[in-house]
Amino acid sequence: GESVGLHLPTLSVQEGDNSIINCAYSNSASDYFIWYKQESGKGPQFIIDIRSNMDKRQGQRVTVLLNKTVKHLSLQIAATQPGDSAVYFCVSRLKGAQKLVFGQGTRLTINP
Amino acid sequence: EPEVTQTPSHQVTQMGQEVILRCVPISNHLYFYWYRQILGQKVEFLVSFYNNEISEKSEIFDDQFSVERPDGSNFTLKIRSTKLEDSAMYFCASTSWGAEQFFGPGTRLTVL
Repeated sequence: GESVGLHLPTLSVQEGDNSIINCAYSNSASDYFIWYKQESGKGPQFIIDIRSNMDKRQGQRVTVLLNKTVKHLSLQIAATQPGDSAVYFCVSRLKGAQKLVFGQGTRLTINP
Repeated sequence: EPEVTQTPSHQVTQMGQEVILRCVPISNHLYFYWYRQILGQKVEFLVSFYNNEISEKSEIFDDQFSVERPDGSNFTLKIRSTKLEDSAMYFCASTSWGAEQFFGPGTRLTVL
């Protein structure tokens, strides 16, 4: 099977600083990774994804890094804003499977 | 922007009763999913559905659970005889080609 774990359950940063959320996965057969954001009372919202044939992907203010050697994934958020406050889930999918495997989530808090 | 919708937002039921949770996936999507999230825990996969049949299911999805696409727009999850431990947020998701899954806002199920 697959399990996904986050390094820190909570992260607190100053508004305007960069945030880095880390994640480890267990199964080298995982070929697709996603970061989801969940705000209170809402469903998970897609942020960015990356396939196993890449090691970096950038979006608007977000970057995902994948290190397959150590099975590590990170999400970088540049110039963090109050609206970035949420729980962030690292998610993986095994090659050929449909189901997404969620990690426990990191609660990101932005200090003014 | 198209989105996944779910009804009701909150369902309260007595233990042993049947419940049906409803979802309207994004209209051109072909793959449909149910996940659940027990309060304070991570999101867990229940079932995936494609081409009018279950394509993958977890060990949680036992004989008490069933899914159906009764028409061209709705996707339902039925729990035949609810138990206290079925209390959770239930999320429906859909995707057009099996990658990025779009989640609905969830239905909070409370079993008394």
